[in-house]
Amino acid sequence: GAGVSQSPSNKVTEKGKDVELRCDPISGHTALYWYRQRLGQGLEFLIYFQGNSAPDKSGLPSDRFSAERTGESVSTLTIQRTQQEDSAVYLCASSPRGQGDYGYTFGSGTRLTVV
Amino acid sequence: GQQVMQIPQYQHVQEGEDFTTYCNSSTTLSNIQWYKQRPGGHPVFLIQLVKSGEVKKQKRLTFQFGEAKKNSSLHITATQTTDVGTYFCAGNRKLVFGAGTILRVKS
Repeated sequence: GAGVSQSPSNKVTEKGKDVELRCDPISGHTALYWYRQRLGQGLEFLIYFQGNSAPDKSGLPSDRFSAERTGESVSTLTIQRTQQEDSAVYLCASSPRGQGDYGYTFGSGTRLTVV
Repeated sequence: GQQVMQIPQYQHVQEGEDFTTYCNSSTTLSNIQWYKQRPGGHPVFLIQLVKSGEVKKQKRLTFQFGEAKKNSSLHITATQTTDVGTYFCAGNRKLVFGAGTILRVKS
């Protein structure tokens, strides 16, 4: 597609429920990233996928968070047993190659609210 | 771990005034990228600097990478209301983001 597509754009969920967020990167972009942005704050790295290599999961805040990506296509970020502190905007980005080689193209994000 | 600090956190300027935000790292950076995020929007890539002492310009925006590759700056000449937003720097291959500088412009 023309840009990075994320769905849903907004998600309200009850504490303790699981949620799944989706990211569809730009076609041909081998690198995909997930970031979290709390209100009024900077971007917090979560996870990085590059082609078929093992993902860099070093930014995942707890084992309730997981992400998958099949090849160079869609990625899903799953948060299990959501907590109120998980409320944030979850941003996905993709780039043509690996980390730092090119600028990232960000999606519009999924705003997650845990009530 | 590596940290990227940005100053100031917030700046409110009169339209037509200049604006500068600074990015400082505790370690040497292989590269630095700058992004702009409009209110309610998502970050948009502006530029990447790689070489020591590099200077790049985009119209009224001037970006610099320090000689030691530990700091960078973004300077906007004669700000306009369209410049409003948060400016983030991000360093190194893993793109560690600074907390950003919020720019507000009074017309």
